[in-house]
Amino acid sequence: AQKVTQAQTEISVVEKEDVTLDCVYETRDTTYYLFWYKQPPSGELVFLIRRNSFDEQNEISGRYSWNFQKSTSSFNFTITASQVVDSAVYFCALSESYIIQGAQKLVFGQGTRLTINP
Amino acid sequence: GAGVSQSPSNKVTEKGKDVELRCDPISGHTALYWYRQRLGQGLEFLIYFQGNSAPDKSGLPSDRFSAERTGESVSTLTIQRTQQEDSAVYLCASSRPTGPSYEQYFGPGTRLTVT
Repeated sequence: AQKVTQAQTEISVVEKEDVTLDCVYETRDTTYYLFWYKQPPSGELVFLIRRNSFDEQNEISGRYSWNFQKSTSSFNFTITASQVVDSAVYFCALSESYIIQGAQKLVFGQGTRLTINP
Repeated sequence: GAGVSQSPSNKVTEKGKDVELRCDPISGHTALYWYRQRLGQGLEFLIYFQGNSAPDKSGLPSDRFSAERTGESVSTLTIQRTQQEDSAVYLCASSRPTGPSYEQYFGPGTRLTVT
């Protein structure tokens, strides 16, 4: 069975600090997809990134970066120079490799509540 | 363009009553998903619809839960004889029929409280 573990339930840092959110996954599939979503206080999930299992290149988007390591089944997310607006719950998710005409069922971690204090 | 919309945004119901939650996906999105998010928890998959394929109902927690979809548009999630443990935010998402992303776009959710 597929499983996503986000061991950090809550993280609190001071603005401008760097912070890393951990994500560890379990799957028997050789092809799979990993995602990060942000859920701000408004509640609506915002897509941040999608990564397939064959692409282990790290990715950087502005202050955000992602470190995918297949050897340790981890897909960690780092925010550099954090800002108060980054405060949200962040979810890591894993999808099944089997895609039925474009549909993918997501398995989510429990989420990490990140609070950035001014 | 318009995103995924859900109604109502909040619903309070008495234990034992039936409720219907509605989702309007993004136009042109053939896949539609329902998830449940209990307080302080991650999202649990409930069901998805994809085009004319049979829906994947593997995540429905009991036979009190059912969902329908009209063509490739509106979907309704029905919970019969609600229980207090059904209290949660019910999120709907939709995605495009073509890759490579199949990114799921989420609605704002319906917060259900069973008293």
